[in-house]
Amino acid sequence: GNSVTQMEGPVTLSEEAFLTINCTYTATGYPSLFWYVQYPGEGLQLLLKATKADDKGSNKGFEATYRKETTSFHLEKGSVQVSDSAVYFCALSTNSGGSNYKLTFGKGTLLTVNP
Amino acid sequence: NAGVTQTPKFQVLKTGQSMTLQCAQDMNHNSMYWYRQDPGMGLRLIYYSASEGTTDKGEVPNGYNVSRLNKREFSLRLESAAPSQTSVYFCASRSRQVSNQPQHFGDGTRLSIL
Repeated sequence: GNSVTQMEGPVTLSEEAFLTINCTYTATGYPSLFWYVQYPGEGLQLLLKATKADDKGSNKGFEATYRKETTSFHLEKGSVQVSDSAVYFCALSTNSGGSNYKLTFGKGTLLTVNP
Repeated sequence: NAGVTQTPKFQVLKTGQSMTLQCAQDMNHNSMYWYRQDPGMGLRLIYYSASEGTTDKGEVPNGYNVSRLNKREFSLRLESAAPSQTSVYFCASRSRQVSNQPQHFGDGTRLSIL
């Protein structure tokens, strides 16, 4: 079956530090990959996505590259801000293996950015 | 731009009570989903509806029922609430049931069962 493994948090950084949150996956077929962000008390918001190998998704200074050879989709940002403090979820969706296009989520990584 | 709207936002129930969580989307999406979020567990799919008129079980359907009332609305019912169902419940929708389409989430219902 499909699965997503992301680095466990919490991750605590100072403002303007470099961020990497690791995400690896196993999937049947050719998945689409997503990063979602959840701010306190809110639902999940799509941050970025990539739908085929070597695609780079980007949004709000965040980037992630779909690496088929390493089955990874690591999230990066060059300079984090206090407002980036949130929980980040890596997720995949595939249309094969009987998964019926459902999203499979990692367990989430809590990021705290201190001023 | 309402997107996905969930009601209520908070609810406290006693064990054995019943309740229906409501979800509506105004994006003309075909597919809708119900998840629960528990600490350290990520999101787990309870039920989903690939299109109007169909519903299917997800990973953790026991103790729940759903109704796809129309294209906009997808409700989740707890017939006899148990403390293990204390969780945050999220509804989501998706334009089409294809892998490259993202899901759009509501702000959640925080449910406590005493």
